[in-house]
Parts: sequence; C-alpha cells; structure tokens
Amino acid sequence: TQLLEQSPQFLSIQEGENLTVYCNSSSVFSSLQWYRQEPGEGPVLLVTVVTGGEVKKLKRLTFQFGDARKDSSLHITAAQPGDTGLYLCAGDGSGRGATNKLIFGTGTLLAVQP
Amino acid sequence: DVKVTQSSRYLVKRTGEKVFLECVQDMDHENMFWYRQDPGLGLRLIYFSYDVKMKEKGDIPEGYSVSREKKERFSLILESASTNQTSMYLCASSPGAYYNSPLHFGNGTRLTVT
Repeated sequence: TQLLEQSPQFLSIQEGENLTVYCNSSSVFSSLQWYRQEPGEGPVLLVTVVTGGEVKKLKRLTFQFGDARKDSSLHITAAQPGDTGLYLCAGDGSGRGATNKLIFGTGTLLAVQP
Repeated sequence: DVKVTQSSRYLVKRTGEKVFLECVQDMDHENMFWYRQDPGLGLRLIYFSYDVKMKEKGDIPEGYSVSREKKERFSLILESASTNQTSMYLCASSPGAYYNSPLHFGNGTRLTVT
C-alpha cells in the first residue's frame, strides 16, 4: 500500500516566519500535487511537480520534488495570515492506472498568527 | 471556473438510515470521485467513476455504493448508515485527458450519524 506521510501535523507560527512542510513516502510517484484547504471549503490545487528534482515557485511558496520522486517539500517564506489552512500533498501512484486516483497525505494544518 | 456542488453542507442521520449524498459538476469532466476526510488520515478514496454508469472501488468502499446515471452527477449512497461513517465527505471531478489532471473539489458535506 502506498502511503504519504506529512510532517509536521500541526504548525503554529508568527507572521513573517519561514516554514517547511514535508511529504514523504517509500514509494515512487509519477507526479505529486500540493493542495491547500481553507476552513469550510474543499482543497484547491497549488502546484503539480512531475520531474525528479523539480523546483516550482508560486510567489512566497517553493515546492520541490525529490530526485527519486518519493518525497516533496513545501517552503513558505515570510508567512502571512492568508497562508493559514490545511496543506495536502497527493501522489499519482504508479500502477494505479491512467485515471488520476490520487493518494493523499495526512495533511499539515498551518496557523499563521498576525 | 469549474464548479462542483454538493447538495448539503451538513447532514444528521440516524444509525441504519439510507443516506444519499449528491454531487454535480458543470465542466463536462469525465472523472468524478468521492473521498472522506478524517483528521490525521488525510483524504481517502471511496469510489470513483471515469464515465457514465462506470464505477470503480477506491481504497475504502465498504459500506458505500455509488451511482452515475448522468455525466454531471455522481451520488454516494450509504446503504445503512453507521456511526463510524460520521465524517466529512468531499466530491471531486477532473478531466480525463491526463493522469495528473488537477482535482476540483466541492465544499464538502459533513455527515453525522447518531
């Protein structure tokens, strides 16, 4: 069974601080997506990484896919209260077919205090 | 923008009741999914459908069934609700063209079974 473990599970920081969220697995993924979920809403896609070692930036958010495509990280620089939410990684598991049956990580709940 | 609409935000049902959760998407997507979300467990796939009248089991299908009679509508059915099915249920859709197409989620239905 393919699993995605995220760490930390909870993170409470002050506005302006930097943070990193990790998404790890023992399995190889063809691609990996990051979603953010705000209270009362469904998850919304932030980014998709496909190539091992790939780095993508979205304003103050930097996403990296591990060289072996087994792990990923999300780094937020100078966090803002608007970054508050649940961050979920999701992998497209190899061998699960062409339809995107994603495996979701356990989630990291981030609270940024003003 | 893709819109995925779940018919209820909150539902309270009694043990043993048959429960219907409805989901409609407006972007002519081939794929539709039902997930349940529990704290610390991330999102777990219950069922998905890649075409009208087609369905496949996800990772936790026990106690659930689905129906997709029209492309835009995907229903989740709890045949006999139990307290361990108390959860947040999320519906999602995606186009069928690419294996790593992003999922578009509804805002969820929080189901409580008493």
